[in-house]
Amino acid sequence: SAVISQKPSRDICQRGTSLTIQCQVDSQVTMMFWYRQQPGQSLTLIATANQGSEATYESGFVIDKFPISRPNLTFSTLTVSNMSPEDSSIYLCSVGLSKRGETQYFGPGTRLLVL
Amino acid sequence: QKEVEQNSGPLSVPEGAIASLNCTYSDRGSQSFFWYRQYSGKSPELIMSIYSNGDKEDGRFTAQLNKASQYVSLLIRDSQPSDSATYLCAVTTGGFKTIFGAGTRLFVKA
Repeated sequence: SAVISQKPSRDICQRGTSLTIQCQVDSQVTMMFWYRQQPGQSLTLIATANQGSEATYESGFVIDKFPISRPNLTFSTLTVSNMSPEDSSIYLCSVGLSKRGETQYFGPGTRLLVL
Repeated sequence: QKEVEQNSGPLSVPEGAIASLNCTYSDRGSQSFFWYRQYSGKSPELIMSIYSNGDKEDGRFTAQLNKASQYVSLLIRDSQPSDSATYLCAVTTGGFKTIFGAGTRLFVKA
């Protein structure tokens, strides 16, 4: 497994602003993922962030709204841009530790409320 | 049809009983199957993985996979109140994409 931390753990933001969420892992990993989880809902993959390549976004998510950085093998950031109340959610990063990254371990999450 | 389907529950079992959680998936090329436990307000925690047909046991947990029926289950023996959580089934498809089910809420009554 891996020890994963996220900052901030929670935040309350005004609409139209942006928030950058940080994800730090205690070991080098190739595959990192960003998810969103609405209250009472399951996980929705936003994008896959592999070091050394551009992030791959899932349908319904675009780079302008959710820019991602992956500067090294232990760190990634997700920015939620030009926020609206619909962006209120829990944002989770995960790391894939198996050969193809399918075995995932999650960070503690960031609870975001947009007013 | 959803790619990964679970009964949302809640599933309520008495303490000491066996809890049976079920999951079906649509992609026949799926290769890897996982069960995560998520306590309220917490992030998902990996508890079991299974890759081949049959049973895999780990302590009180047993994962069962039947690829022909596209079915995976999780049995929790001697259920404890601390097992009360939402259990997420996750499936890695033939295209190496991991899809999560909506989860089943389990309540274990003391």
